[in-house]
Amino acid sequence: AQSVTQLDSHVSVSEGTPVLLRCNYSSSYSPSLFWYVQHPNKGLQLLLKYTSAATLVKGINGFEAEFKKSETSFHLTKPSAHMSDAAEYFCVVSDGTNAGKSTFGDGTTLTVKP
Amino acid sequence: EPEVTQTPSHQVTQMGQEVILRCVPISNHLYFYWYRQILGQKVEFLVSFYNNEISEKSEIFDDQFSVERPDGSNFTLKIRSTKLEDSAMYFCASKDRVEKLFFGSGTQLSVL
Repeated sequence: AQSVTQLDSHVSVSEGTPVLLRCNYSSSYSPSLFWYVQHPNKGLQLLLKYTSAATLVKGINGFEAEFKKSETSFHLTKPSAHMSDAAEYFCVVSDGTNAGKSTFGDGTTLTVKP
Repeated sequence: EPEVTQTPSHQVTQMGQEVILRCVPISNHLYFYWYRQILGQKVEFLVSFYNNEISEKSEIFDDQFSVERPDGSNFTLKIRSTKLEDSAMYFCASKDRVEKLFFGSGTQLSVL
């Protein structure tokens, strides 16, 4: 069984300030973890993924996430928010098997204020 | 970068009608999925498909739903008799053996 909890449903930051979107997971397997972004009326875009290699993962658009097994966390960060970062963000866990399904968190809405 | 393509982007149908949502996964991928997102809710797993059969399905995926890979390139989701509560964004996804899941842009289904 696997699950993922996004600890904040809404996060609001000012442009140019750091972003932190929190995610905790549980998995019976050695998990693969992902962050996806969804802009309004758009599909899901992969930001970054962790698949048992380096624990600090760099993604697109300046985002990165750190896998911390002891804390079962995979928080998403960005040093400086941009207006275009405003979107819905999903943390996703997959059981790591070839055909494994992915389980989505509830999502975090990021608002960026000018 | 390769893409998963979904058509149509929007589908409007009457309650009780059949709809088929179409997806073209990435050509060398082996595993295929459908997910849905009801407005304001989380993305939910519907079904996974591998080697021409369903690998796993959720409770949502009842007898009204079916999937097919009719010609080796398309991957379709059929809803036999749509209900109001089937209105949602439906996402197709595919992957190869490496753990990277590619999603399509989604089909917004509106059941009236």
